[in-house]
Amino acid sequence: DAGVIQSPRHEVTEMGQEVTLRCKPISGHNSLFWYRQTMMRGLELLIYFNNNVPIDDSGMPEDRFSAKMPNASFSTLKIQPSEPRDSAVYFCASSLGTVQETQYFGPGTRLLVL
Amino acid sequence: QKEVEQNSGPLSVPEGAIASLNCTYSDRGSQSFFWYRQYSGKSPELIMSIYSNGDKEDGRFTAQLNKASQYVSLLIRDSQPSDSATYLCAVGLSGANNLFFGTGTRLTVIP
Repeated sequence: DAGVIQSPRHEVTEMGQEVTLRCKPISGHNSLFWYRQTMMRGLELLIYFNNNVPIDDSGMPEDRFSAKMPNASFSTLKIQPSEPRDSAVYFCASSLGTVQETQYFGPGTRLLVL
Repeated sequence: QKEVEQNSGPLSVPEGAIASLNCTYSDRGSQSFFWYRQYSGKSPELIMSIYSNGDKEDGRFTAQLNKASQYVSLLIRDSQPSDSATYLCAVGLSGANNLFFGTGTRLTVIP
C-alpha cells in the first residue's frame, strides 16, 4: 500500500488567499484525522471523520477552517482566508477503526502564509 | 494540567546505552497508549502500542505501562545514532474522539 498521500507537500501563499490541502487515506481505513503541528503547540487534532462523517471538529480553530470527506478515499482541509498564524505542518492520518487504533500519518503539508 | 506530559529534553545518550523516555497522563480512563517516532522534517511513525499493564517488547524497544501510577515509558536498548529523533507519546480515552499527544522528547544518540 502507498500509505497516506497528501498534497501539496509544500505551500507558500499570501495572507488572505484560500488554501486547500488534500489527503488520500489508506484503502480500507474507516477513520481519517487532520492534525496541525507547530513548535509552540505540538500536534493538535483539528477534525476526525469516521466512515466519511465528521465526528469531532472541536479542534478546528475558527470558521476560516473547513474540512470535507466526500468519499472514503479523499478529504480536503480548506483555509479561507489564510493568515500568517496558520503557518504550520498539516498532517493527515488514517486508521482502521476508531481513535483507539493505530493511526498512520501522511508526509504532511508544510504551509507558509506570508 | 495537560492531558499528556513528556520531558521535552533533549535527552542525550551514548551509542549502545539504554535510552529511557517517560510520559505521564492525567485521565485514569485512558485505555490506549502509543509511542511514535518523528525524525526532523518527517511525519510521526508508530513504534509501539500498549493497552495492558506491564511490559511489551519489540526488538530493541520495550514499552512499559503502569495505569495505577498513570505513566507509560519507552526503553530503547543498544541505542543507535539512527534512533536520534523526537519521540511522541499519545494516549486515548475509551469512547473519546481524540488521541492526546505529548509535545515530545528529543533524543540524541552520540556515536
